[in-house]
Amino acid sequence: GQQLNQSPQSMFIQEGEDVSMNCTSSSIFNTWLWYKQDPGEGPVLLIALYKAGELTSNGRLTAQFGITRKDSFLNISASIPSDVGIYFCAGQLRAGGTSYGKLTFGQGTILTVHP
Amino acid sequence: GAVVSQHPSWVICKSGTSVKIECRSLDFQATTMFWYRQFPKQSLMLMATSNEGSKATYEQGVEKDKFLINHASLTLSTLTVTSAHPEDSSFYICSATRGMGTQYFGPGTRLLVL
Repeated sequence: GQQLNQSPQSMFIQEGEDVSMNCTSSSIFNTWLWYKQDPGEGPVLLIALYKAGELTSNGRLTAQFGITRKDSFLNISASIPSDVGIYFCAGQLRAGGTSYGKLTFGQGTILTVHP
Repeated sequence: GAVVSQHPSWVICKSGTSVKIECRSLDFQATTMFWYRQFPKQSLMLMATSNEGSKATYEQGVEKDKFLINHASLTLSTLTVTSAHPEDSSFYICSATRGMGTQYFGPGTRLLVL
């Protein structure tokens, strides 16, 4: 199925550094979501974005819904060891059609934080 | 956030047997549940969408006779992998939603077929 283009694929950073990752799509979504997945666990929702141009924060996390509705980014400030994991973006259509409500996931960004 | 559970958390079975995985929404009524499959170091791929009281809708390339889905109540959906083979070994994750709101994911079920 369709996938979003998420980059970078992996990041190795020092504790305290800021992190930025992004997703782009050839299709428009009207909802963008960012999830974190720990090994052997299901994804946990970090931030949900519902309007083009929206900038939302959740603690040290900040995400934006691109104006074109085809992209989104996630920033993590002052990273800590527990930020380690895989981060996924997901786009969702909240309109009619066969894709209604379904999530399309990016390939994931593997984040490693060195103490 | 809402809580979704899966059972079992892991299962090992012999080739040719069938395996049932349960997905439960513990504190809300889920009108729709989704089933995903995730291979190592890959993203989640949607297998099927399950609406309570109706037949599941399968994604292209997913065999509906092999992956049987039942969504008999607003809090329970089951995925049965029939006649499992080693290539079916994967991490199976469900999500649940009320209406078409936020999807809450279960912890996943790791299936190993020998």
